[in-house]
Amino acid sequence: AQSVAQPEDQVNVAEGNPLTVKCTYSVSGNPYLFWYVQYPNRGLQFLLKYITGDNLVKGSYGFEAEFNKSQTSFHLKKPSALVSDSALYFCAVRGSDSGGYQKVTFGTGTKLQVIP
Amino acid sequence: ETGVTQTPRHLVMGMTNKKSLKCEQHLGHNAMYWYKQSAKKPLELMFVYSLEERVENNSVPSRFSPECPNSSHLFLHLHTLQPEDSALYLCASSQDEGGNEQFFGPGTRLTVL
Repeated sequence: AQSVAQPEDQVNVAEGNPLTVKCTYSVSGNPYLFWYVQYPNRGLQFLLKYITGDNLVKGSYGFEAEFNKSQTSFHLKKPSALVSDSALYFCAVRGSDSGGYQKVTFGTGTKLQVIP
Repeated sequence: ETGVTQTPRHLVMGMTNKKSLKCEQHLGHNAMYWYKQSAKKPLELMFVYSLEERVENNSVPSRFSPECPNSSHLFLHLHTLQPEDSALYLCASSQDEGGNEQFFGPGTRLTVL
């Protein structure tokens, strides 16, 4: 069964400092990996995805994520955090074993608090 | 906005009521999803429709009944709910049910008394 782990319930970082939100996964076959962000009273918003190719993926709002196959990780990063980045971040994974529908599994979310 | 709208945004209902949640996507997508989001729990996939056919029913109680009359609209009919069903219900759509990203609506905050 596929799974996603976000080991930190909350990450605090000072404004202007680099941030990392961690994600590890388990899946059959090659993974499709996603990051989403959720602001208060809103639905999830897509940030970036990895399907194949370059291990470093760039996404919206200056975020990027690095796919590491040997460590089965897909950590979200940003060089300089903004107060407006404070939100709930979700990592998600989907396998690619066969064609047709395959379920996407979401992590439990990590709350990012950027301190002014 | 994401191109996915949900109504109502808030709903309070008693355990004997019947109500429906509505989702509409304006993105030309072929797949639509219902999720349940509860505090401190992972996002729970409830139902998936692809080209108006249900392709996933994730062991959801029968008091939740989905309907997808066309690829732009998705409903969740609610009947005889329990207080533990109180949650944020999110609708999403994607180009297809494959590896594409999903676009989420703002959700309906449901409270069951």
